[in-house]
Amino acid sequence: GENVEQHPSTLSVQEGDSAVIKCTYSDSASNYFPWYKQELGKRPQLIIDIRSNVGEKKDQRIAVTLNKTAKHFSLHITETQPEDSAVYFCAALFSGGYNKLIFGAGTRLAVHP
Amino acid sequence: DAGVIQSPRHEVTEMGQEVTLRCKPISGHDYLFWYRQTMMRGLELLIYFNNNVPIDDSGMPEDRFSAKMPNASFSTLKIQPSEPRDSAVYFCASSWDRSYEQYFGPGTRLTVT
Repeated sequence: GENVEQHPSTLSVQEGDSAVIKCTYSDSASNYFPWYKQELGKRPQLIIDIRSNVGEKKDQRIAVTLNKTAKHFSLHITETQPEDSAVYFCAALFSGGYNKLIFGAGTRLAVHP
Repeated sequence: DAGVIQSPRHEVTEMGQEVTLRCKPISGHDYLFWYRQTMMRGLELLIYFNNNVPIDDSGMPEDRFSAKMPNASFSTLKIQPSEPRDSAVYFCASSWDRSYEQYFGPGTRLTVT
């Protein structure tokens, strides 16, 4: 069945460093890949997404890359700040119709001052 | 728009009691999703609706769980009888048919003692 694997499960960086989170998906027909950020005690919120017709998308300090051949996509955060500390979830759209997203298990990012 | 609204925000109940969680999606959204989040199992999709019709309830853990969407602006998730292992944060999310972005509500933190 459909599956999204996410690595690493935890990530600790120093403020100003870059952080990279990687995901692989099983459904080769998936064409939409969002990333959600969840701060402690809050709801998941969409921070960036990418569709299969592009290989990279940037929004200020965050970027997402997609390799459809290898079926993996990554989130890149540059110049990390303490407020980037959160759990990040990747997801892939289920290609069997409807708007169902398959979520990864999440990455807990800690940015230390 | 106020976003996705969930109530109650916190619920503490005793084992065996009935629990009803409520959700009001964003006006105009065609899809409504119920998720459960725990440390052990991450973010799990329980059930989702399209135009008030249940599409996939394969994530509902057992017959104690039921969900309804009587109209486009209201959905309930009911647990009867509740058990301590049902303790989790339950999120409702909605999306529009022409966009895959899911918007999450603030969640209901359920504690079953």
